[in-house]
Amino acid sequence: EDQVTQSPEALRLQEGESSSLNCSYTVSGLRGLFWYRQDPGKGPEFLFTLYSAGEEKEKERLKATLTKKESFLHITAPKPEDSATYLCAVPLINAGGTSYGKLTFGQGTILTVHP
Amino acid sequence: EPEVTQTPSHQVTQMGQEVILRCVPISNHLYFYWYRQILGQKVEFLVSFYNNEISEKSEIFDDQFSVERPDGSNFTLKIRSTKLEDSAMYFCASRTGLAYAKNIQYFGAGTRLSVL
Repeated sequence: EDQVTQSPEALRLQEGESSSLNCSYTVSGLRGLFWYRQDPGKGPEFLFTLYSAGEEKEKERLKATLTKKESFLHITAPKPEDSATYLCAVPLINAGGTSYGKLTFGQGTILTVHP
Repeated sequence: EPEVTQTPSHQVTQMGQEVILRCVPISNHLYFYWYRQILGQKVEFLVSFYNNEISEKSEIFDDQFSVERPDGSNFTLKIRSTKLEDSAMYFCASRTGLAYAKNIQYFGAGTRLSVL
């Protein structure tokens, strides 16, 4: 069964304390992996998309990497405004072998950065 | 910057009532989606819509649910007879479908549906 699992469920960091979030997936025929940020009571906000093993993307203090089985979101010297839930998602291919982009999400990692 | 707009932000309804959640996707987008997120749980896919028809739907999307793109700009989700378990955040998303855009889906801020 196709699955997306994120760890840890929650992460508390001090400002400036770097760390990584993990997203592991078991899907056949990966067609991209997406990272989103979600603030409380808001919709997911797109951060990155990765398509092939070894690919890396960076944005400010965030860097996303992809292997054949997992993706990491590295946070370097985080600030309190980086506090949010970080979601990982992959598009699934249906039984007919097509994909209309249906995303399956992990349960998210709740990141709290203390000043 | 273009964005997906959802209204209302919060809808309160009585069990058994019909509700319509509204979305205005980004104007040049061709694929439209509804997802929901029950409090404390994962974001779940409900339905995808392309070329004026449903392209895919989940097990959650039963006969009580319907979607429509009535006028080329709005995209609506109707729940005919709401149940307590329909209480959730409902997110609309859209994407262009063009290769350069890499299938990125953009989400609205959501409608919080509370069924009493």
